[in-house]
Amino acid sequence: SQQGEEDPQALSIQEGENATMNCSYKTSINNLQWYRQNSGRGLVHLILIRSNEREKHSGRLRVTLDTSKKSSSLLITASRAADTASYFCATDLTAGTALIFGKGTTLSVSS
Amino acid sequence: GAVVSQHPSRVICKSGTSVKIECRSLDFQATTMFWYRQFPKQSLMLMATSNEGSKATYEQGVEKDKFLINHASLTLSTLTVTSAHPEDSSFYICSAGPSGYQETQYFGPGTRLLVL
Repeated sequence: SQQGEEDPQALSIQEGENATMNCSYKTSINNLQWYRQNSGRGLVHLILIRSNEREKHSGRLRVTLDTSKKSSSLLITASRAADTASYFCATDLTAGTALIFGKGTTLSVSS
Repeated sequence: GAVVSQHPSRVICKSGTSVKIECRSLDFQATTMFWYRQFPKQSLMLMATSNEGSKATYEQGVEKDKFLINHASLTLSTLTVTSAHPEDSSFYICSAGPSGYQETQYFGPGTRLLVL
């Protein structure tokens, strides 16, 4: 089963622009995480935000979490061509359980 | 960070044969590992939870007799795709988290299976 729904499904922007991806989920969560996946490759962990946190930053990444709306957003600022990838949110219901992934957003950054 | 490896990274096999994929936690022990499957242009779907020393727990719709999971040690889980068919062609990814540390999990690099 899938927990998260990302939107948009696909996003095309120019280098230097910001990219915002949203994720919604259905049940209460322990943590929410964002991953990047380059075509045909494995997952790269980007950031983890706990259910009691509202915002987190890591470099050019900014993640927000609104548990009342069961949604999260990932903002990539000053995008680069190397940011071209698929981005997935994933949640775990309780600590130590499997991650449930959203459908993902495919980001294309052109130079 | 912790490292999880998978072997092989890619495998091509004939229809009807069995394929074994290994998932190892290299620098930590994991009582639980997870197996995911990802079809092209789709997201990761949880297949099963591998439990060291006991039977795996399979998600609804995943055939336990087709996807055999063995978690014989605290650092190794194997997934065997038995009598593989072309529709089993997919990207298989495992994950594991250090026992007793529940913050996050570490993903293997994945195994790409192509069944001809």
